Amino acid sequence: EDKVVQSPLSLVVHEGDTVTLNCSYEVTNFRSLLWYKQEKKAPTFLFMLTSSGIEKKSGRLSSILDKKELSSILNITATQTGDSAIYLCAVISTSGTYKYIFGTGTRLKVLA
Amino acid sequence: NAGVTQTPKFRILKIGQSMTLQCTQDMNHNYMYWYRQDPGMGLKLIYYSVGAGITDKGEVPNGYNVSRSTTEDFPLRLELAAPSQTSVYFCASSPEHPPLHFGNGTRLTVT
Repeated sequence: EDKVVQSPLSLVVHEGDTVTLNCSYEVTNFRSLLWYKQEKKAPTFLFMLTSSGIEKKSGRLSSILDKKELSSILNITATQTGDSAIYLCAVISTSGTYKYIFGTGTRLKVLA
Repeated sequence: NAGVTQTPKFRILKIGQSMTLQCTQDMNHNYMYWYRQDPGMGLKLIYYSVGAGITDKGEVPNGYNVSRSTTEDFPLRLELAAPSQTSVYFCASSPEHPPLHFGNGTRLTVT
């Protein structure tokens, strides 16, 4: 059974701290891994990582895919209260159908 | 620039009632999905569709039905509501490549 596991489940930090969120996966026919940020409503897309693009960076956020370890990390440096959200990891598997498999998410709270 | 639109935003149902959650997208995406999100449980796939007239079950389809008569619309039907269906429901769409684009969700309570 395809599975995506995120850790930690929740995290509380202070503004200015650096955080690392983890995502590991067991899927057949891995295609790509995506990170989403979910505040109050719909998840919004952050990054997509594939075999040909294993590192992405946008401002204070960066992500790396480790295909050998079947995992990815999302780093946020100099955290701000606006980074408080649930961060979701999803893996696309093409085993028979085109499906996104989501992890449980990491709830991040940044204190002022 | 509407994207994926879900209605209603909130709904309270009594056990045994039925309802339809509406989802429409204006991006001409072929792929559409319904997810439910329970606290601490991530997103679970209920049903998905790869084009008009084609639907398939996801991980948790029991108690739900879908149809896809047009590219734009992908309604989710609950026939006999149960407390276990209390959740937040997200509709999403994508073209043939990622990422998924989500609607703002429908919060459903069954009492």
